[in-house]
Amino acid sequence: GQQLNQSPQSMFIQEGEDVSMNCTSSSIFNTWLWYKQDPGEGPVLLIALYKAGELTSNGRLTAQFGITRKDSFLNISASIPSDVGIYFCAGQLDSGYALNFGKGTSLLVTP
Amino acid sequence: SQTIHQWPATLVQPVGSPLSLECTVEGTSNPNLYWYRQAAGRGLQLLFYSVGIGQISSEVPQNLSASRPQDRQFILSSKKLLLSDSGFYLCAWGQGTNEAFFGQGTRLTVV
Repeated sequence: GQQLNQSPQSMFIQEGEDVSMNCTSSSIFNTWLWYKQDPGEGPVLLIALYKAGELTSNGRLTAQFGITRKDSFLNISASIPSDVGIYFCAGQLDSGYALNFGKGTSLLVTP
Repeated sequence: SQTIHQWPATLVQPVGSPLSLECTVEGTSNPNLYWYRQAAGRGLQLLFYSVGIGQISSEVPQNLSASRPQDRQFILSSKKLLLSDSGFYLCAWGQGTNEAFFGQGTRLTVV
């Protein structure tokens, strides 16, 4: 599969701070997805993006599909302790069936 | 609504023993089905995907195989487990909009 570069690898922040993470690819994707995974559980879909330039929110989360279709970012505003987890980006190539995943951003939030 | 069930949640198997992990989806028909492996809590590697009964595509050569005997049933198997097969195995389903929805995962430890 295609390699997605997700950064940062980890973040350690204080409650109330805003968080930003992103994914880039050398290939064009037609779908970008963002997931959150809690320890020992499967990833849960947070936001799905289908059009270049699309900006979508889900509560305190906002994600955008890059204009070039090769990148996406996820912002979390006013972080809270339950935001702790690993966040994954995933993209789908024009011609593929399966998603390609980034390596994840581990988020730690201190009260 | 659609649900995905994956079992068992944890499994400890000796080297050389067979493996069978099962995944079923309810509330939808003709889903795309996927098996992913996650090592050390990071990075999801696609192992197999299926777009229909009896149709299996393998992404990486390995000691594992997959089968789809029924529309909403996906099975991951091995005839003889290796130590390197240890990991967190995730089943997922998708349909139409390119999103993938994950099960709770199976933690496999080969000893």
